[in-house]
Amino acid sequence: KQEVTQIPAALSVPEGENLVLNCSFTDSAIYNLQWFRQDPGKGLTSLLLIQSSQREQTSGRLNASLDKSSGRSTLYIAASQPGDSATYLCAVSEGFQKLVFGTGTRLLVSP
Amino acid sequence: GAVVSQHPSWVICKSGTSVKIECRSLDFQATTMFWYRQFPKQSLMLMATSNEGSKATYEQGVEKDKFLINHASLTLSTLTVTSAHPEDSSFYICSALPVAGGGNEQFFGPGTRLTVL
Repeated sequence: KQEVTQIPAALSVPEGENLVLNCSFTDSAIYNLQWFRQDPGKGLTSLLLIQSSQREQTSGRLNASLDKSSGRSTLYIAASQPGDSATYLCAVSEGFQKLVFGTGTRLLVSP
Repeated sequence: GAVVSQHPSWVICKSGTSVKIECRSLDFQATTMFWYRQFPKQSLMLMATSNEGSKATYEQGVEKDKFLINHASLTLSTLTVTSAHPEDSSFYICSALPVAGGGNEQFFGPGTRLTVL
């Protein structure tokens, strides 16, 4: 059974810092991995999707890497801003469609 | 593009009543939609996979007679929580997988918060 773990569970940083969020999964047979952002009481905003054949994806200040063989992904956020405060979820596709979500990292960026 | 809506965005009901939640893909067709549940401070858990024109596939531990899913068209899936109880209070989120494009990215709705009194 696929299990997805995210470390740290919570993170508090001052504005401007670069930071790394970690995601690990137990079964490397995945189709893709996605990073999402969730604001309190809201739905999900997709940030980056990495196909299993890819190593990384970039969007603005965000960079996500994928090492499928070791079951790991990292989300790098450059020059963090208070508006980045949210919960970040990673999810891996189990089979072609089913997504298994991680436990999430709650990020707080202080001005 | 790829917008998914949910209705209602929040609902409060009395214990024992049934509640229907709609999930619509607004600008694309989806043969497959998914229903997730999220309890406070927890991650999303897949409840069931909804396939247009056929029966839904439920995850282990999810009661199919309690959570009725209907996917009658390529743009609409509904989740009905029957005889709701306080322990069913949760955030329900749907996602849709576009037919066109052949990709495997799901697009998520904004969620429905259910509170059962």
